[in-house]
Amino acid sequence: AQRVTQPEKLLSVFKGAPVELKCNYSYSGSPELFWYVQYSRQRLQLLLRHISRESIKGFTADLNKGETSFHLKKPFAQEEDSAMYYCALSGLDQAGTALIFGKGTTLSVSS
Amino acid sequence: GAVVSQHPSRVICKSGTSVKIECRSLDFQATTMFWYRQFPKKSLMLMATSNEGSKATYEQGVEKDKFLINHASLTLSTLTVTSAHPEDSSFYICSAKGVRWGYTFGSGTRLTVV
Repeated sequence: AQRVTQPEKLLSVFKGAPVELKCNYSYSGSPELFWYVQYSRQRLQLLLRHISRESIKGFTADLNKGETSFHLKKPFAQEEDSAMYYCALSGLDQAGTALIFGKGTTLSVSS
Repeated sequence: GAVVSQHPSRVICKSGTSVKIECRSLDFQATTMFWYRQFPKKSLMLMATSNEGSKATYEQGVEKDKFLINHASLTLSTLTVTSAHPEDSSFYICSAKGVRWGYTFGSGTRLTVV
């Protein structure tokens, strides 16, 4: 069965501290992994997808197939990074399938 | 970039009535649309997948007769909550997938059934 696990409900850090939001997945085929961010009262926005290998707003994530992980990292957190972060998965080998989401992690950055 | 418009953003209805939520893809054709339900401070739970011109595929535990999905065109999908009850109160989010833009999300609809 396909599943996305985000073990932390809440992560609180100080401004300037490094951030790592954990995500592990379970998928039998070829997965495509994403990170989405939801700021207060706003819609879900795509932050990263592993295929594009981009760095957005200073965030990066590397797909580790051996550990089945796709952790989100940022070296220096900013207050404006405070939001809900969702890790999501879809099947590269299954066109038209929905994104399956983890339960989300709330990141709180304080000064 | 791709934009998905979802309306209404908020709706309050009386128990027993039906509510329709619209999801439109602007500037792109959505081959597939998805409907999610989000409980407070919880994840998004996939309710159904709909492809234009065919019947929606519902996830296990989702009542297809209560949550009617119509995907009549490549730019419009609707979710109708029939005979709504207070337990149907939730945040409903649609997502559209196009060939070029991947997954794009609507802004969500807050449904309150009183």
